[in-house]
Parts: sequence; structure tokens; C-alpha cells
Amino acid sequence: AQSVTQPDIHITVSEGASLELRCNYSYGATPYLFWYVQSPGQGLQLLLKYFSGDTLVQGIKGFEAEFKRSQSSFNLRKPSVHWSDAAEYFCAVGGYSTLTFGKGTMLLVSP
Amino acid sequence: DTGVSQDPRHKITKRGQNVTFRCDPISEHNRLYWYRQTLGQGPEFLTYFQNEAQLEKSRLLSDRFSAERPKGSFSTLEIQRTEQGDSAMYLCASSLSPTGGPNSPLHFGNGTRLTVT
Repeated sequence: AQSVTQPDIHITVSEGASLELRCNYSYGATPYLFWYVQSPGQGLQLLLKYFSGDTLVQGIKGFEAEFKRSQSSFNLRKPSVHWSDAAEYFCAVGGYSTLTFGKGTMLLVSP
Repeated sequence: DTGVSQDPRHKITKRGQNVTFRCDPISEHNRLYWYRQTLGQGPEFLTYFQNEAQLEKSRLLSDRFSAERPKGSFSTLEIQRTEQGDSAMYLCASSLSPTGGPNSPLHFGNGTRLTVT
């Protein structure tokens, strides 16, 4: 069965500082990996995806993520956080049908 | 691209009543998904359709829940005899995925928030 673990429930980062959100997955084959962002009361917006090829993927809003097969990880990074990045972030893993999501990491940005 | 549309945005109902939600996917998308999200949790898969065929249902989808996608366009999710535990955000998503091919990214609607009193 596929699963996703996001070990950090909340993270607080100062505006302008760098960010890394952790994601570990369990999947029996080559995974398709995704990061989504959700603002309060809204649906989920896709930030980036990994299907194959280059293990460092670029997304929208200056985010990137690195796929490390040996560590079963797909961590999300941003070099400089903006106040508007405050939201909840979800990592997801899937294959040919459904996506399984982690429980999310709430990002708080302090001035 | 008008996005995925869900109606209503909010629904308050009394325990024991039936409710129905509607989802209009992105027009060219052949897959449609229903997820449920409770406070502090990630979205949990309920069911999905490829065109009009319902291909998979989660164990979370009790027999009080039924979903349809007639003609492979919009979808409805009905909950009969609602319980307080059904209170959640119900998210619809769509994607364009070839039959037997890998899943493409899901595009989500803004959800329907259900409160059962």
C-alpha cells in the first residue's frame, strides 16, 4: 500500500529565510510524486510534480523539490520565503490511479 | 480553462438528512475524483471515475455514500442518513489521463464544506 509521511505538523520560518519541508513516501514501484499547497477554505493547488528524469524539479512560486530514491524522500525547498507562502503544504504519491496524501505541514511565516 | 467547480460551497444539515453535492470537472478531463478532508488531515481518497465508469472505491465510502458520473461529465456525491462524523470538506478533482496510463496531476475544486448538526 502506498503512504506518505510528513513529519512536521507545523513549521515557522522568518520571512526571507530558506525553507525545507520534509516528505517520505512508501510505494511499491516507481512513484509519481507531487507537492500541493492549500490556503484556508480553498482547494489544493499543484506546486510541482516528479514523474521521471531529473531528480531536481522546479515548480511555481520559486519552489523546488528533490527526489531521493535511496531515502524515499521528496523534500520541498524554497531559498527565500515570502509572507504570502503561509499555507498548508501536502505531499502526495501516486501511480496509475489514485493519489495518497500526507497529513500536511502548516507553514507559518514570521516578520 | 474554467477550473473545477463544486456546488454548494457550504452545506449545513441535520443528522439523518440526505445531501447531494455536485462537481463539474475541467471539460476535457476524463478522470474525476472525490476526496474527503477533515480538520488537520490531508485529503483522503473516496472514489474515482474514468469517463462514466466508477473504477475504484475506498473503504471509507460506506453504503450510505453513492457517487455517479452520468455521461462522463459532471458528478454527484450523495450521502444518505448523514451522521456527525460525515462533517468534512468534500473535494472534487479532475485529470486528463490516458486509459492504463500514469496519473497526471489532479486539479482540485474549492470543495464543499459539510456540517452535520
